[in-house]
Amino acid sequence: QTVVTQEPSFSVSPGGTVTLTCGLTSGAVSTSNYPSWHQQTPGQAPRTLIYSTNTRSSGVPDRFSGSILGNKAALTITGAQADDESDYYCVLYMRLGIWVFGGGTKLTVL
Amino acid sequence: QVQLVESGGGVVPPGKSLRLSCAASGFTFSTYGMHWVRQAPGKGLEWVAVISDDGNSKYYADSVTGRFTISRDNSKNALYLQMNSLRPEDTAVYYCAKDSFQLSSPGYWGQGTLVTVSS
Repeated sequence: QTVVTQEPSFSVSPGGTVTLTCGLTSGAVSTSNYPSWHQQTPGQAPRTLIYSTNTRSSGVPDRFSGSILGNKAALTITGAQADDESDYYCVLYMRLGIWVFGGGTKLTVL
Repeated sequence: QVQLVESGGGVVPPGKSLRLSCAASGFTFSTYGMHWVRQAPGKGLEWVAVISDDGNSKYYADSVTGRFTISRDNSKNALYLQMNSLRPEDTAVYYCAKDSFQLSSPGYWGQGTLVTVSS
């Protein structure tokens, strides 16, 4: 069974740039997986940042960007701010009617 | 603006049933697919089910297939999740989410409703 992989944790300095990735235990992520990225702070509902690989949701600042890097989907945050400290989840469309979330990355800004 | 409001959560004994609802507003409900996603306490997100804009296509995660049923009423701008034969591992916050486009991924989330399966 293919699993969606994410870094469990990551740290970035304020003002810095960080790239989180979303991969598969078997195979490469492509635009056909329609990778999307969702931000969640403790006790809150998720918020969609990026969908369909690189399309920003309404109201999302342009310092959040999505891409395919090698065989993984990637979320890059440039100019990290304190309130970017959150959990970040990717989700991939795997096959007809099935979506799978990664385990999430806990991002620390310090 | 888009608004999704879930309701129907609560405490239910194992083996029983529960029906969740999601009231949608601020967008043309009948033109978007809709997802249910859940999050067990302290855990990550788990995709549960999706329904197409016209309700004719429905898909489920293996963990809920045969027990959960997703449905919608476009005349009422409402999404539902009928949950039968509930198990303790179904305990979670359940979110409804508007699809981004053409059944590609969740794109806008409600605030969630907590379901606790316990005797």
